[in-house]
Amino acid sequence: ELKVEQNPLFLSMQEGKNYTIYCNYSTTSDRLYWYRQDPGKSLESLFVLLSNGAVKQEGRLMASLDTKARLSTLHITAAVHDLSATYFCAVDRTGTASKLTFGTGTRLQVTL
Amino acid sequence: ETGVTQSPTHLIKTRGQQVTLRCSSQSGHNTVSWYQQALGQGPQFIFQYYREEENGRGNFPPRFSGLQFPNYSSELNVNALELDDSALYLCASSLDRDSTQYFGPGTRLTVL
Repeated sequence: ELKVEQNPLFLSMQEGKNYTIYCNYSTTSDRLYWYRQDPGKSLESLFVLLSNGAVKQEGRLMASLDTKARLSTLHITAAVHDLSATYFCAVDRTGTASKLTFGTGTRLQVTL
Repeated sequence: ETGVTQSPTHLIKTRGQQVTLRCSSQSGHNTVSWYQQALGQGPQFIFQYYREEENGRGNFPPRFSGLQFPNYSSELNVNALELDDSALYLCASSLDRDSTQYFGPGTRLTVL
């Protein structure tokens, strides 16, 4: 059974600081996703990572994937308050009904 | 092009009742997946429908059932509601079974 773990579960950081969220998964997967969720809202897709060594950046967020280590990271550069949200990683395996298995989520709070 | 829509937005039911949640997939998408997200947790896969047939199911009891219509919209039915069914129910559509999933705004179900 595919398991996805994130750490930390909760992250409080000051504006302007850098930090990294980690996502480990237990078995071979085809794609890794990062989503953002604001309180009471749906999931907003941030990145889709398809292959080993993939790196994607959007604004202050950068995601990378190491399929050999079964590890993805979401790096936050010079955090701003607007980035406060819960971040989920999710993996799927094509050919198996393509369900997404989500991590536990990391609640990010950026303080002024 | 319209995105994924869900109805209703919020719903309150009592234990033992039945509920139907609805989802309209994004234009051109033939696959719909349903997820349950309990408070403070990541979404859990319920099932997926592809071209009107169930195409995979997560660890949910049979009282969770679904349907997909010829226009690829979908329903999630839950019978004999339990308190633990209180959650945000998310629908996601995709171009086909193995494509990226796009999430709707969700339906918040409260069971009293």
